[in-house]
Amino acid sequence: GAVVSQHPSRVICKSGTSVKIECRSLDFQATTMFWYRQFPKQSLMLMATSNEGSKATYEQGVEKDKFLINHASLTLSTLTVTSAHPEDSSFYICSASPTGGTSGRPDTQYFGPGTRLTVL
Amino acid sequence: ILNVEQSPQSLHVQEGDSTNFTCSFPSSNFYALHWYRWETAKSPEALFVMTLNGDEKKKGRISATLNTKEGYSYLYIKGSQPEDSATYLCALNAGGTSYGKLTFGQGTILTVHP
Repeated sequence: GAVVSQHPSRVICKSGTSVKIECRSLDFQATTMFWYRQFPKQSLMLMATSNEGSKATYEQGVEKDKFLINHASLTLSTLTVTSAHPEDSSFYICSASPTGGTSGRPDTQYFGPGTRLTVL
Repeated sequence: ILNVEQSPQSLHVQEGDSTNFTCSFPSSNFYALHWYRWETAKSPEALFVMTLNGDEKKKGRISATLNTKEGYSYLYIKGSQPEDSATYLCALNAGGTSYGKLTFGQGTILTVHP
């Protein structure tokens, strides 16, 4: 139980285009989902917290207009990298915390497999 | 900025060896400590969530201890197997206004040689 999928797993795009990444909780509901980014040889860094039905909260230094987050349902959050540039190339990974009463431990974040974004 | 450190960065052991590694965190900012195992091309797998000083948790051959007063957690693997090869991550939930947000260490890469 407590499975999170992420799509696509890998994307290559041209500079200036926008890329959407989906994060789905498959067997539980998640009021809160998180988006992280990992640059080479660095740790996972939290970008933003996504709350179902409300605006996402972004960590310091993360541009909200560049990284658009939508959490329209209890099982889906999307991250759109707008007007992507080579410096946005990174590994993006989401996690979801189960809402009480559903599968999974509510005190745990369950992760998707991540998305490797390469911007040419 | 919270500083979560893991050591060593990487570790090579022989099959059957027991091993352990460390996660250090600021003891003044603590709500919970998470351990994950991350195999290449897979999702990080949640191993433990630890909240109480002196906590000890076990899952098969893997166990973890927690010392919140001095700010560290140890992860132990008994009788390592090749399938234990992975990156082991720890993450701090500092609570308060940061409740729910995880600050990760850089991970310990474990390679178990047959």
